Amino acid sequence: EPEVTQTPSHQVTQMGQEVILRCVPISNHLYFYWYRQILGQKVEFLVSFYNNEISEKSEIFDDQFSVERPDGSNFTLKIRSTKLEDSAMYFCASKGGNGGELFFGEGSRLTVL
Amino acid sequence: AQSVSQHNHHVILSEAASLELGCNYSYGGTVNLFWYVQYPGQHLQLLLKYFSGDPLVKGIKGFEAEFIKSKFSFNLRKPSVQWSDTAEYFCAVNGVGAAGNKLTFGGGTRVLVKP
Repeated sequence: EPEVTQTPSHQVTQMGQEVILRCVPISNHLYFYWYRQILGQKVEFLVSFYNNEISEKSEIFDDQFSVERPDGSNFTLKIRSTKLEDSAMYFCASKGGNGGELFFGEGSRLTVL
Repeated sequence: AQSVSQHNHHVILSEAASLELGCNYSYGGTVNLFWYVQYPGQHLQLLLKYFSGDPLVKGIKGFEAEFIKSKFSFNLRKPSVQWSDTAEYFCAVNGVGAAGNKLTFGGGTRVLVKP
């Protein structure tokens, strides 16, 4: 069964460092998303991406965040200068069509020290 | 803007008990509704979804949910839980036509099933 894969599964970084989280969505999907879940809290929407551009972003997704689909298969989330409060589980998701089911990856746990 | 609220943060019950988790949403138009489950240490998995048609939808593992449009609700039920149903359950809504087609999640309900 096709699945969304994410790397790394866990990353520990120092505050102020840049982090790139990578995702390989399901191959024929068109819509891509990043969500995050701070420990013990709800799953929060960060950004959606369609047709090679951001279609919506939340207030959390400030100038420190960026997304890219550099080669048609990967979908990356970059945090330019990490803060302690960026520590969370980051989930990538994709879906095939408008209104379809979202398929989630297993998440990348980011710990900022 | 779309939003979702889940009434219970924690539920503890014994095996074979019945489970009902409340979910209410807010959105001005047509919605697609979902329940996701997150087992300890694992990623989000889809339990069931409602797009249109019969408001009573059946999902995996014996779960079902009922969409009541007049109450903006989409409650999840299971007649008889098992220990393996211990997990966190998230209700989610996707407003049809909403920018970005994003899914908005409720705060989640942690369910602990005691053997």
